[in-house]
Amino acid sequence: TQLLEQSPQFLSIQEGENLTVYCNSSSVFSSLQWYRQEPGEGPVLLVTVVTGGEVKKLKRLTFQFGDARKDSSLHITAAQPGDTGLYLCAAQGGSEKLVFGKGMKLTVNP
Amino acid sequence: DAGVTQSPTHLIKTRGQHVTLRCSPISGHKSVSWYQQVLGQGPQFIFQYYEKEERGRGNFPDRFSARQFPNYSSELNVNALLLGDSALYLCASSQTGTYGYTFGSGTRLTVV
Repeated sequence: TQLLEQSPQFLSIQEGENLTVYCNSSSVFSSLQWYRQEPGEGPVLLVTVVTGGEVKKLKRLTFQFGDARKDSSLHITAAQPGDTGLYLCAAQGGSEKLVFGKGMKLTVNP
Repeated sequence: DAGVTQSPTHLIKTRGQHVTLRCSPISGHKSVSWYQQVLGQGPQFIFQYYEKEERGRGNFPDRFSARQFPNYSSELNVNALLLGDSALYLCASSQTGTYGYTFGSGTRLTVV
């Protein structure tokens, strides 16, 4: 069974601070996705990374896939209250299903 | 274009009852997947259907079943509801079923 460990699980920061969320596993994945979910809504895809060592940027968000394709990180620069939400990593190991981590609940205070 | 639509949005059922949840995928998407998200956890895979055939099943009891219709919409059925079935049930669609998933807003099921 593939397990994804996310850390930290909770984070409360002030507007303007930087943060990094980690997603780790002992398994190798064909691809890894990051989602953001707001209360009462479904997850919204932020990015998909497929190549070991890949780095993708989406405005103030930087995503990295580990060289061995077992881990990933999400870095947010100058966080804003609108970044508040649950950040989920999800991996595919060759089958069609997504395996999700428990998520990191982020609160950005104005 | 409409996104993935799920109905109903909220539902309250009594233990032992049966429930049917519905999902309409994005137009052109032939794959539908179902996930269960318990409070404080990430979504867990229940089923995937592609072209009306079951492509995958998660570690859920036989009380859970699903099907996909010719128009690619899907139903998730749960029999003999337990309190532990209370969760947000999410539907995701994709064109091929291998990547590019779009999730609906979910159905919040409460079993009392």
